[in-house]
Amino acid sequence: SQQGEEDPQALSIQEGENATMNCSYKTSINNLQWYRQNSGRGLVHLILIRSNEREKHSGRLRVTLDTSKKSSSLLITASRAADTASYFCATHLAYSGAGSYQLTFGKGTKLSVIP
Amino acid sequence: DGGITQSPKYLFRKEGQNVTLSCEQNLNHDAMYWYRQDPGQGLRLIYYSQIVNDFQKGDIAEGYSVSREKKESFPLTVTSAQKNPTAFYLCASSIGGEGPYEQYFGPGTRLTVT
Repeated sequence: SQQGEEDPQALSIQEGENATMNCSYKTSINNLQWYRQNSGRGLVHLILIRSNEREKHSGRLRVTLDTSKKSSSLLITASRAADTASYFCATHLAYSGAGSYQLTFGKGTKLSVIP
Repeated sequence: DGGITQSPKYLFRKEGQNVTLSCEQNLNHDAMYWYRQDPGQGLRLIYYSQIVNDFQKGDIAEGYSVSREKKESFPLTVTSAQKNPTAFYLCASSIGGEGPYEQYFGPGTRLTVT
């Protein structure tokens, strides 16, 4: 089963509203990353939060991490139609083995922002 | 321009034929990855390579093969043994060493096998 599970699977909001997506994971992590994918395109890295951090901001993005609950949330404020995309969380496991660089991706949240 | 290129964008093959997907990066990254994406399934790791001349199987390696003869290149061959090869294939790369292993993705190749 997936290490990371996003919730909800799909989200539809009006332009200007805030969008919140959640990610839960099962095992201890070194860091958690959020990516965005426009339809039919490659993924683009948005933000990374380390296991010893609780909150990070980047422009209109705010990410929180609660390692006790093994969960993270991505908040997009003042959404725009151009934010329409799928959003994935990815985890780098704490016990990946020496020099292991792999990430484990969730299934994603599909966000639709209606103009 | 630094980045990852994948070619072709669309690929059509007949069942029973092997096909090779290209992935090139000029980011000087040590690690490269191949993922498969099916609708509603997220990304599943096929193979990854952390250094030239070395690669490891991911979660769904059966029916696929790779090579890593150069740091810049990590081609993926979809063999006739892959039972359901039609999918969107994504290549990615990242730095090695101490990380944090943010991955940079190519634009993807959509493979259709009939």
